[in-house]
Amino acid sequence: DQQVKQNSPSLSVQEGRISILNCDYTNSMFDYFLWYKKYPAEGPTFLISISSIKDKNEDGRFTVFLNKSAKHLSLHIVPSQPGDSAVYFCAASGTGNQFYFGTGTSLTVIP
Amino acid sequence: KAGVTQTPRYLIKTRGQQVTLSCSPISGHRSVSWYQQTPGQGLQFLFEYFSETQRNKGNFPGRFSGRQFSNSRSEMNVSTLELGDSALYLCASLTLLAGVTGELFFGEGSRLTVL
Repeated sequence: DQQVKQNSPSLSVQEGRISILNCDYTNSMFDYFLWYKKYPAEGPTFLISISSIKDKNEDGRFTVFLNKSAKHLSLHIVPSQPGDSAVYFCAASGTGNQFYFGTGTSLTVIP
Repeated sequence: KAGVTQTPRYLIKTRGQQVTLSCSPISGHRSVSWYQQTPGQGLQFLFEYFSETQRNKGNFPGRFSGRQFSNSRSEMNVSTLELGDSALYLCASLTLLAGVTGELFFGEGSRLTVL
């Protein structure tokens, strides 16, 4: 039962444009959401997070938006750079410190 | 400070064998979680340990087990290996601030290939 879903396995964007990665969840008890970035042969690295009491969190070129009523979050990267090419995972957690991850979206930024 | 360290990084086993993977969390982190990553399945939660106790467990068969030591280092074991166990096994540590959850810090993973 996939409680966190990333329906786009891949995304290609031109350098300098906006990348938008989407994530949906089913469990209304989730109250903390995170995005991770993963390069091949490396572990995922934390990118940005958002608590359910907010609807937006920004960190440099990265912004995460949360729409609780739609159970949807998105990650915006502006402007996209070739070094952003990686697999991005969204994750959610509720009580108990158990994190649920999506299946990932492979982003390719074309120079 | 040092990150999460996993050993071995790569290993090859045959069906029916068992394997033990090791994880040393970031100093001061007491929660250690294990995840399995396979193509198309994302990161599947295996289990989480805190202060030597398993607090959460994912939906994996009993062949998958783990433990945590008093120094927070953790091991996971897979017995009677199957071809489908081939995956990247990731360990992550977490620090809690006043009970509020934070972000997971991942190791580089152990790549297991079962032949």
